Amino acid sequence: AQKVTQAQTEISVVEKEDVTLDCVYETRDTTYYLFWYKQPPSGELVFLIRRNSFDEQNEISGRYSWNFQKSTSSFNFTITASQVVDSAVYFCALSTAGNNRKLIWGLGTSLAVNP
Amino acid sequence: SAVISQKPSRDICQRGTSLTIQCQVDSQVTMMFWYRQQPGQSLTLIATANQGSEATYESGFVIDKFPISRPNLTFSTLTVSNMSPEDSSIYLCSAGLSSYNEQFFGPGTRLTVL
Repeated sequence: AQKVTQAQTEISVVEKEDVTLDCVYETRDTTYYLFWYKQPPSGELVFLIRRNSFDEQNEISGRYSWNFQKSTSSFNFTITASQVVDSAVYFCALSTAGNNRKLIWGLGTSLAVNP
Repeated sequence: SAVISQKPSRDICQRGTSLTIQCQVDSQVTMMFWYRQQPGQSLTLIATANQGSEATYESGFVIDKFPISRPNLTFSTLTVSNMSPEDSSIYLCSAGLSSYNEQFFGPGTRLTVL
């Protein structure tokens, strides 16, 4: 079975705090892809990152960083020095080579960054 | 990436009527997807729309209720038929643009059925 678990339903932080959003996935496929999407209050889903199962290198993009660990089946997302504009719902998703490109979605984590 | 537009952006409809949502991509794509997202919830895939073939529906969704067209590689429509208040939701289309399965999304259509 394939599954994505985002255990944190809601997180509230004060601006400039660091925050980590957790994502745990399940799949038996050896080739798979992991994604993070951001959905601000406007509703549009914004693609943030893709990680391939064969590339465990962590990635940093500005204040955003992603930690992919196959040993724990996790793909966590950290926002450093959070800002009010980071307030959104963040979704982690999984796709495998054999599932017709469909994405399996986590339930999302709602992040509120307060001034 | 790609620019994906949807029309209408929102609508308020009466029970029993139908609404057709349009999705336009600024580049040719093989696979397009239609999702429903109810308030405060995650995305639920309705169907996958490939050009030149019938749409593939997920469990719980049927063609009579959600007919889909895919006339070319840049365009698709989703019709929500015989609407009821339970169909009130955000409907999103997406395009699969690479061999790595990532999808890019349109802005969504907010549908309210009275």
